[in-house]
Amino acid sequence: QKEVEQDPGPLSVPEGAIVSLNCTYSNSAFQYFMWYRQYSRKGPELLMYTYSSGNKEDGRFTAQVDKSSKYISLFIRDSQPSDSATYLCAMSADNYGQNFVFGPGTRLSVLP
Amino acid sequence: NAGVTQTPKFQVLKTGQSMTLQCAQDMNHEYMSWYRQDPGMGLRLIHYSVGAGITDQGEVPNGYNVSRSTTEDFPLRLLSAAPSQTSVYFCASSRTGEESPLHFGNGTRLTVT
Repeated sequence: QKEVEQDPGPLSVPEGAIVSLNCTYSNSAFQYFMWYRQYSRKGPELLMYTYSSGNKEDGRFTAQVDKSSKYISLFIRDSQPSDSATYLCAMSADNYGQNFVFGPGTRLSVLP
Repeated sequence: NAGVTQTPKFQVLKTGQSMTLQCAQDMNHEYMSWYRQDPGMGLRLIHYSVGAGITDQGEVPNGYNVSRSTTEDFPLRLLSAAPSQTSVYFCASSRTGEESPLHFGNGTRLTVT
C-alpha cells in the first residue's frame, strides 16, 4: 500500500459545480497537510496549508482534515475553467521538507 | 521577486552524456531540494540540502549528484544519462521551521534517448 493514495482521475465537472478532491494516508504521525495546484507544464503552487484536524477556508477553497479516518479533502465551490489543473496533496509528520510525502495527483477539468 | 528559477526548461540528451540542471532561489531559503515527477508516481525526492555545504540523499538518488556552495543555488548533475532518467525535474525551496511549505520552480523536461 502506498503511503498516500489519491484518485488519479481525470475528473470532469461543469462550471459552477462543487468539486471534492480526496487523499487517504496510512501514517498516523502525519500532522501537516497541504494541497498544491499544478497547471500543465508548470510547477506545483501551494493552495492550502493546514496543521492537525479540522477545516480551513480560503475563498472558494476549503481544506478538511480527518485524522481519525486518515483522510483529507479539498472542496472547490463555484468551480471555474481556470481551476482546471492537477491537484496534489502532500503531508508530513514534522514539517521538514525532506519528509513531505506527495500523492500522485488528481487531474480536474472544469468545462464551460 | 523571481522565487525559484530553473534552467533549462527543456533538454534532450543521448545515453551516457552528462549535464547540470540549474536551480536558483532569491527568497533566502535554507532548505532546497530536487524532485522528479513521473506519470502516476507523484513527486519523488532525489537530493536535498538544509544549508550551504550540507546535502543528503532522498528517495531516488542514484545517478545524480548535488552540491550547495551558496544559499541561493542548488545544481543537480546527471553523471551518465540513462533513458530511465527521462522525467520532469522540479527544484523546491522553503524556510525551516513552522508553516514552511515548499515553493517550486517550473521544472526542466528532460528526455534521454
